Amino acid sequence: GAGVSQTPSNKVTEKGKYVELRCDPISGHTALYWYRQSLGQGPEFLIYFQGTGAADDSGLPNDRFFAVRPEGSVSTLKIQRTERGDSAVYLCASSRGGTDTQYFGPGTRLTVL
Amino acid sequence: AQTVTQSQPEMSVQEAETVTLSCTYDTSESNYYLFWYKQPPSRQMILVIRQEAYKQQNATENRFSVNFQKAAKSFSLKISDSQLGDTAMYFCALTGANSKLTFGKGITLSVRP
Repeated sequence: GAGVSQTPSNKVTEKGKYVELRCDPISGHTALYWYRQSLGQGPEFLIYFQGTGAADDSGLPNDRFFAVRPEGSVSTLKIQRTERGDSAVYLCASSRGGTDTQYFGPGTRLTVL
Repeated sequence: AQTVTQSQPEMSVQEAETVTLSCTYDTSESNYYLFWYKQPPSRQMILVIRQEAYKQQNATENRFSVNFQKAAKSFSLKISDSQLGDTAMYFCALTGANSKLTFGKGITLSVRP
């Protein structure tokens, strides 16, 4: 079946604007994860959904970041009042849950000018 | 807290030769899982190999194998018969009961023709 997809592939915005990043997981995967990868670094955990609920949002850096997964499939990561420091690649992954292997999407490169 | 350390920022290998990428980790959990992911310039994070900590046998996937030393908390990746397509960043990662992946900083591997 299809892998994890993310849209847009690239997003350029201005400081202070609002952005939404979308993730479409592998069909049937109940767990969905968001990570952020800064240049030259490994990905860092942001939030984890099991079904529709956020099981762990301890990685969200502040209250400008919010994510939803209303029907237990597609998820949207929302960033308010963007700052230049938010520039990074945002990766989404899905799995069948627990410690099952996570499969990643191609990421969205966010650039805040 | 879980930590993953990749101390070599980059390595280079001649095509058809063997190369070993190092990784050490720390965790307080007794049941955990270790991974190597490959990230080519396309950004897509691709699973290379997975190791369950409770298994003594080292995982192998075709040209890729690991040397898992549980007592030393070491998890190195060996790539045999290196190919040009192996050129990428490689990340070592760890997960436990909390399901979120903790990544190292990665290593850039270049395969020379």
